[in-house]
Amino acid sequence: AQSVTQLDSQVPVFEEAPVELRCNYSSSVSVYLFWYVQYPNQGLQLLLKYLSGSTLVKGINGFEAEFNKSQTSFHLRKPSVHISDTAEYFCAVSMDTNAGKSTFGDGTTLTVKP
Amino acid sequence: EAGVAQSPRYKIIEKRQSVAFWCNPISGHATLYWYQQILGQGPKLLIQFQNNGVVDDSQLPKDRFSAERLKGVDSTLKIQPAKLEDSAVYLCASSLGDTSKAKNIQYFGAGTRLSVL
Repeated sequence: AQSVTQLDSQVPVFEEAPVELRCNYSSSVSVYLFWYVQYPNQGLQLLLKYLSGSTLVKGINGFEAEFNKSQTSFHLRKPSVHISDTAEYFCAVSMDTNAGKSTFGDGTTLTVKP
Repeated sequence: EAGVAQSPRYKIIEKRQSVAFWCNPISGHATLYWYQQILGQGPKLLIQFQNNGVVDDSQLPKDRFSAERLKGVDSTLKIQPAKLEDSAVYLCASSLGDTSKAKNIQYFGAGTRLSVL
């Protein structure tokens, strides 16, 4: 079975500061990793994904994440955040045997303050 | 390209009543998913369809929840009878369903927010 732990439930940060949202996973098989963003009263939108290849993955809105197999982590980073980045962020993992079935973490609320 | 459509957006019912949610996936997407997202938690997969067949329903409470995708396109999720703990957002997602890694990305609808009183 696979699981995802998002280490911070809430992350407050000032505008233009860097941010890191942490995600650890556990799985006994090869995995695919995802970060989604959810704005209030909206569905989830894919930010970025790791399928294979380069461990540094770049996504939309200036976000990037690094896959670290030895530490089973997939932390999300942005060098300079904007007010509009305020949202809920979810890390998810799926197995290559059923790439479409994802297990989600409980989310991290990013609040960007002026 | 039209996204995943869900209706209604909001629903308020009393416990023991029944309720149904509807989802229309992106055209051409073979795989459809229903997730339950309880406040403060991540989405939890309830059921996964491949065309009109069920791939995974291991976390669906089958004594009260049912889902169908009769023609392999749109889908309905039903709860009968509803309990207080069913209050959540019900998200529908779809994907091409191809086993190729790069293509099996899920696209989510905006969800239906259910309140059971």
